[in-house]
Amino acid sequence: EIVLTQSPGTLSLSPGERATLSCRASQSVGSDYLAWYQHKPGQAPRLLIYGASTRATGIPDRFSGSGSVTDFTLTISRLEPEDFAVYYCQQYGGSPRTFGQGTKVEIK
Amino acid sequence: EVQLVESGGGLVQPGRSLRLSCTASGFTFGDYAINWFRQAPGKGLELIGFTRNKAYGGATDYAASVKDRFTISRDDSKSIAYLQMNSLKIEDTAVYYCSRGGGWSDYWGQGTLVTVSS
Repeated sequence: EIVLTQSPGTLSLSPGERATLSCRASQSVGSDYLAWYQHKPGQAPRLLIYGASTRATGIPDRFSGSGSVTDFTLTISRLEPEDFAVYYCQQYGGSPRTFGQGTKVEIK
Repeated sequence: EVQLVESGGGLVQPGRSLRLSCTASGFTFGDYAINWFRQAPGKGLELIGFTRNKAYGGATDYAASVKDRFTISRDDSKSIAYLQMNSLKIEDTAVYYCSRGGGWSDYWGQGTLVTVSS
């Protein structure tokens, strides 16, 4: 099973700042078999990125994904108030599909 | 509009059974794999199983933690997927989500809470 490790566990930032979230895999997930989700309490998780760098439908361009093989990054260029949430990476290059433990982006 | 709605959660005693439903709308249900995930209190997301689309005969697969206790089925004519949970344990307490998609999940339901407690 591929283990995904996200860092940091919590990111304390102010609106307008840049957020950089990391996701590292214990082994290759293939070149780009990685997705990112945003999750707020009581809501459905929201797909942000798939294929490591492709934004899902309707996702603002302040969200961007990069990386390959074992090291991936989600960047939020300028945090908006609605962006404070927990973010998960998920790999689908190996079976079973697995998630990272999440990074909480909180208001500083 | 694509929608997935989970139902059937609640309080159940250890060892008992519960069946969750995932009712879909806004897309051709049979064309998509449907996944079941859960999130235990204070924990991350866990894929517990899925059913492939009709092209793959709706074949299923399960996480080791629920294999032989949980069963996923689907009724493409009704656009509903089911999660039959037997021999429930306290550690099965979680919010259960269904989602669409075989690799990444582009649509999710809002989840239904299952509490296993005596």
